[in-house]
Amino acid sequence: EADIYQTPRYLVIGTGKKITLECSQTMGHDKMYWYQQDPGMELHLIHYSYGVNSTEKGDLSSESTVSRIRTEHFPLTLESARPSHTSQYLCASSEYRQGGSIQYFGAGTRLSVL
Amino acid sequence: AQSVSQHNHHVILSEAASLELGCNYSYGGTVNLFWYVQYPGQHLQLLLKYFSGDPLVKGIKGFEAEFIKSKFSFNLRKPSVQWSDTAEYFCAVSVIQGAQKLVFGQGTRLTINP
Repeated sequence: EADIYQTPRYLVIGTGKKITLECSQTMGHDKMYWYQQDPGMELHLIHYSYGVNSTEKGDLSSESTVSRIRTEHFPLTLESARPSHTSQYLCASSEYRQGGSIQYFGAGTRLSVL
Repeated sequence: AQSVSQHNHHVILSEAASLELGCNYSYGGTVNLFWYVQYPGQHLQLLLKYFSGDPLVKGIKGFEAEFIKSKFSFNLRKPSVQWSDTAEYFCAVSVIQGAQKLVFGQGTRLTINP
């Protein structure tokens, strides 16, 4: 099992604030992902990265941005948070094993924007 | 684009009952298939996966799933559920090329009554 660390676990902030959600993994995985999950709904991919200096938009449009300066670190930033950004954000990394790619997830950050 | 459909949004069973959760996907090419579980307050964990070979795969905690290619299905089963199986279950698929992004179903909330 990979160890994926996300901080903070919970965040309540006011509209207009800039926030950064942290995600780190210790297994040296090249591929990392950010998903957004609303309560009772499926996860939607919003960003992913093949490796250092690589970032791509996911299937769900998001106003957030990501960076990948180091292999182990994949932070997500919202420049100006809005109530519509209230959701759970899950970070994952993947490794190739047994003939396929397996994704491992962090505990998530539950964001509430007031 | 691929999509995943989980038939049941909320399933309520008694302990020792048998379980089958439906999952269908739409994609004409080769896919990898997964079931993830999210216990209350915990992160997403891999329950089982199918990459190739025997279409009947066994996972952790007595779960199994059968890939039926002609039906585009990957149903999850357990012969006798326990109270500790109460959780949210997500079916997911990934295309085997490129970023191998996961596309998730909406999830099935499973409640086991003691």
